[in-house]
Amino acid sequence: GAVVSQHPSRVICKSGTSVKIECRSLDFQATTMFWYRQFPKQSLMLMATSNEGSKATYEQGVEKDKFLINHASLTLSTLTVTSAHPEDSSFYICSARDPQANTGELFFGEGSRLTVL
Amino acid sequence: LAKTTQPISMDSYEGQEVNITCSHNNIATNDYITWYQQFPSQGPRFIIQGYKTKVTNEVASLFIPADRKSSTLSLPRVSLSDTAVYYCLLHSGAGSYQLTFGKGTKLSVIP
Repeated sequence: GAVVSQHPSRVICKSGTSVKIECRSLDFQATTMFWYRQFPKQSLMLMATSNEGSKATYEQGVEKDKFLINHASLTLSTLTVTSAHPEDSSFYICSARDPQANTGELFFGEGSRLTVL
Repeated sequence: LAKTTQPISMDSYEGQEVNITCSHNNIATNDYITWYQQFPSQGPRFIIQGYKTKVTNEVASLFIPADRKSSTLSLPRVSLSDTAVYYCLLHSGAGSYQLTFGKGTKLSVIP
C-alpha cells in the first residue's frame, strides 16, 4: 500500500529555536496533505491542510505564523515550528491520500515527536 | 462533520472476538464509516471502511445497520498485539478527505 514517511521521528530542541518536520509520500503524488498534533493520551487534532502549490488552510486556533507549512512538490510537505516553546512539545503526524486509490483511506506517517526544552 | 461516540476503553482476553460499537446519529447520506488503529507513538493505520451492511477484510469486519446510525467493528480472536486505540470516523466520499478524530476506544488485550 501507499507509504507516507516523516522525518525526523524524534527531535529535541531548545526553546526559541525552529524545527522543520518533513512529510513525504513515497509512492504516490499527494496534492493535499494533512498535519495533526497529538498530546499524550489525547486524540489527534487537525492543525492544517497542506495544498501543493498554494497556501495551507489552518484550523481555528492554530497560528499560521508559528506553524509554517510548505507544500512545494507533490510528494513533500514540511511543517516548521518557529520559535518553539515547551508547550509546543507534542507528537506531530502527517497524512495523505493516494488519489489513485478507490477508497478514502488516508495514509499516515510514523509521526514526529518534538520535545522543546 | 458528524460526531461519533465510542466507548472510552474495553478489555478483552486473548483469543476472544471483540466488538467495538460507534454511534453516529447524524451521519450524512454521503458519509462513509472508517476505522483506524493507532499504536503508541505511531501514526494511525487504516483498518476498514464501509457504507452499509457488512464489509470484511483480512483483519476485521464492519457491521452497519440499515439506518447507518451506528457501526460495529469486529476483531476476531484478538491477540496481545491488537492492544491499541481504535478510532471510528466519518468522511464524505467526495471532495475533502479531511478526517476529524474523536477520542477513540482504548482496547487492552489481556493474556
